[in-house]
Amino acid sequence: KAGVTQTPRYLIKTRGQQVTLSCSPISGHRSVSWYQQTPGQGLQFLFEYFSETQRNKGNFPGRFSGRQFSNSRSEMNVSTLELGDSALYLCASSLVPGTPYGYTFGSGTRLTVV
Amino acid sequence: GEDVEQSLFLSVREGDSSVINCTYTDSSSTYLYWYKQEPGAGLQLLTYIFSNMDMKQDQRLTVLLNKKDKHLSLRIADTQTGDSAIYFCAEVLLPPSNTGKLIFGQGTTLQVKP
Repeated sequence: KAGVTQTPRYLIKTRGQQVTLSCSPISGHRSVSWYQQTPGQGLQFLFEYFSETQRNKGNFPGRFSGRQFSNSRSEMNVSTLELGDSALYLCASSLVPGTPYGYTFGSGTRLTVV
Repeated sequence: GEDVEQSLFLSVREGDSSVINCTYTDSSSTYLYWYKQEPGAGLQLLTYIFSNMDMKQDQRLTVLLNKKDKHLSLRIADTQTGDSAIYFCAEVLLPPSNTGKLIFGQGTTLQVKP
């Protein structure tokens, strides 16, 4: 079966612009969570959606937002981009969070802000 | 509090065993996971252990959990050059806060020399 699909794989944006990243979870998975990975901060939790509802949010500014659609696909948006937003953004889907099934990650979107 | 710590680097010879260590602080953790990340890729779930277990073996992988010391380790037997990657341990919290939030360690870079 298809894994978690993230698009695009690479993105270059200019400071001040906004960006939207997309994540399609494994079929049947209703939980989608997002993480930011940087060399300095490591893997940081952004937010988690389950059945179109945001259930948990990490410690990120309001410029970072997300949503989930009825087909469980999720998008995250970053507005007014800053250089420090350059990172690998990973999406993970889960059948049931916090279980042995774990979380299946996509390959990520590499965002570079110039 | 939520904190997971790992040593940053480990170098071994091909054929030797590798042991990657991790400590966590949240005593209410349910599952603890080990993920592998190869260059340019997302995170691949290697194995997991439930917090009421002491040990789990899965082919070349052995996970040991010392709940008293909140210490987790991953042993890779007969380490191969293909095992070179970054290894992350992660914990997920008990319900009702079980909302898909993984807390990751900083990652251990495993270098396998031929």
